[in-house]
Amino acid sequence: DTGVSQDPRHKITKRGQNVTFRCDPISEHNRLYWYRQTLGQGPEFLTYFQNEAQLEKSRLLSDRFSAERPKGSFSTLEIQRTEQGDSAMYLCASSLGGIGNEKLFFGSGTQLSVL
Amino acid sequence: AQSVAQPEDQVNVAEGNPLTVKCTYSVSGNPYLFWYVQYPNRGLQFLLKYITGDNLVKGSYGFEAEFNKSQTSFHLKKPSALVSDSALYFCAVTPPGGKLIFGQGTELSVKP
Repeated sequence: DTGVSQDPRHKITKRGQNVTFRCDPISEHNRLYWYRQTLGQGPEFLTYFQNEAQLEKSRLLSDRFSAERPKGSFSTLEIQRTEQGDSAMYLCASSLGGIGNEKLFFGSGTQLSVL
Repeated sequence: AQSVAQPEDQVNVAEGNPLTVKCTYSVSGNPYLFWYVQYPNRGLQFLLKYITGDNLVKGSYGFEAEFNKSQTSFHLKKPSALVSDSALYFCAVTPPGGKLIFGQGTELSVKP
């Protein structure tokens, strides 16, 4: 399978715990995006990378959230001291990047439940 | 700031009838517009996009969308709906080279 893959598919955690999600983009894609989706809402932009550089981070994103893409390939999203409001589907997407290559390819997401 | 509005939370259509899912946008400059579909327990799938040229864009599964610059709209259409079209549909907008901003989604329900 050469699509975008995310791990784990589901994560249940207790409030206050840290969680980390992984995303493996399509191999030739330079851009990698993280979105968050709650029930009945559209995907909300969190952050994106061009190769290993994090180019933009949503102003709405708490300091408890951090993302990395150390070698310009896979990416991790960490949430520290989770809160119940963090419960959502976390989506990763990748693209070739640049003008004319804005089409995103999405993974199946990681469903986070914070108890 | 760029934004997308999908005014209808849900659209109900009988199978075989035409369907329209509405989308309006706000973005500076010339927008790139997209439609994605999300089936239950599946990731978002690309349907079609408008970048430039003909205002009527054709995409996957028989869907098409019409770009209207004066009304800042990009409505999704299909001449004859299928039950299997039932899903969640998202409109998205970006300036060239930018990140996609999504609408809140419209649930399409096609009844036999």
